[in-house]
Amino acid sequence: GAVVSQHPSWVICKSGTSVKIECRSLDFQATTMFWYRQFPKQSLMLMATSNEGSKATYEQGVEKDKFLINHASLTLSTLTVTSAHPEDSSFYICSAREPTWADPLGFGPGTRLTVL
Amino acid sequence: RKEVEQDPGPFNVPEGATVAFNCTYSNSASQSFFWYRQDCRKEPKLLMSVYSSGNEDGRFTAQLNRASQYISLLIRDSKLSDSATYLCVFTSPGGYQKVTFGIGTKLQVIP
Repeated sequence: GAVVSQHPSWVICKSGTSVKIECRSLDFQATTMFWYRQFPKQSLMLMATSNEGSKATYEQGVEKDKFLINHASLTLSTLTVTSAHPEDSSFYICSAREPTWADPLGFGPGTRLTVL
Repeated sequence: RKEVEQDPGPFNVPEGATVAFNCTYSNSASQSFFWYRQDCRKEPKLLMSVYSSGNEDGRFTAQLNRASQYISLLIRDSKLSDSATYLCVFTSPGGYQKVTFGIGTKLQVIP
């Protein structure tokens, strides 16, 4: 599948601060990237679809003002968790795929966010 | 009807057993199909693509039934290391290359 990197892999922050997570496609251009969140022992939940050069599409129930997504280039999408609270502590994963229907989705290694 | 339905399990099977999972989809325009494996606290990783003619990779066999709109994954001779969550993933035409995935089936292989 497509190779995707994600940074940082682990972050601890104080309540009220903002945290930025980067997702990069390696060796290919991704016009679309996806952001997920996974709480312990639960399934992946799609948060939003990040579109290069345009606004992200958010899933129902996901606050777009709290989870800011920027997809400024064909290889980079960022997710910023603004004014983080302990309930935002979760495993955040991004994914992308090379732009043909037959190519499988690649996932980043994930970012484990802990808000104190 | 949900876009994709997958039994979350858990499936608890003894070592050496054969186990099969299904995943049904509602969008008949779905084009590409995949099985992913996710270990605890890790990201999903591609296990295998699913082709119309069916395909096999060692102990793993994937099949697609377009008429009934489901894909299946068969694992033979289960190993302890097969314990994981298995996700089905579909792609379909549409704006921004729509990708849909199931909630995952948890497999626990018991010694």
